[in-house]
Amino acid sequence: NAGVTQTPKFQVLKTGQSMTLQCAQDMNHNSMYWYRQDPGMGLRLIYYSASEGTTDKGEVPNGYNVSRLNKREFSLRLESAAPSQTSVYFCASSERAGPPGTGELFFGEGSRLTVL
Amino acid sequence: GQQLNQSPQSMFIQEGEDVSMNCTSSSIFNTWLWYKQDPGEGPVLLIALYKAGELTSNGRLTAQFGITRKDSFLNISASIPSDVGIYFCAAQNYGGSQGNLIFGKGTKLSVKP
Repeated sequence: NAGVTQTPKFQVLKTGQSMTLQCAQDMNHNSMYWYRQDPGMGLRLIYYSASEGTTDKGEVPNGYNVSRLNKREFSLRLESAAPSQTSVYFCASSERAGPPGTGELFFGEGSRLTVL
Repeated sequence: GQQLNQSPQSMFIQEGEDVSMNCTSSSIFNTWLWYKQDPGEGPVLLIALYKAGELTSNGRLTAQFGITRKDSFLNISASIPSDVGIYFCAAQNYGGSQGNLIFGKGTKLSVKP
């Protein structure tokens, strides 16, 4: 029973390099999300996909792109990494978007990214 | 924009003590949730509250949805070492997309055996 699986768990990049964080969920959830967590900042939403085929910007989308590949998978891409993108990234999923029960997110274990 | 003010930022308590933390906002919400994040892990949902005034328990945890819909608190009774972690409140309004779920900045709990 994997839940939400993220890869890689750790990554070090140089400024300007690109990379993609992968996320997959096996709970047949409709909605998926990417958050970043920085010390003292809590969790901030980068992008989300309310359902397969749709994506929308969250609070901090600049410098990122996403792809909802299918119902299971939602990837986050950094085209040209910057030191300000050093963070822990969490993928999450929920059964559906809309009321109620939509706030019940299931999170992956996180991907720690360092940009030098 | 909307934001949640979570306090305290951190707590350092003795095993067996009770813990209380809260989350307030100037905005009204329809849903309040409490998550716990263990070190090196992703957050896990502890309690979800959907009705103003609702009081819900989950083992030693009790949370309440404030009557004004602008706040919520979480209590932990008789703390144990495995309660260590960061506790996040989160709140949301109905009718919007899931992008309207916002998080507090967390309360870091340390427990001394």
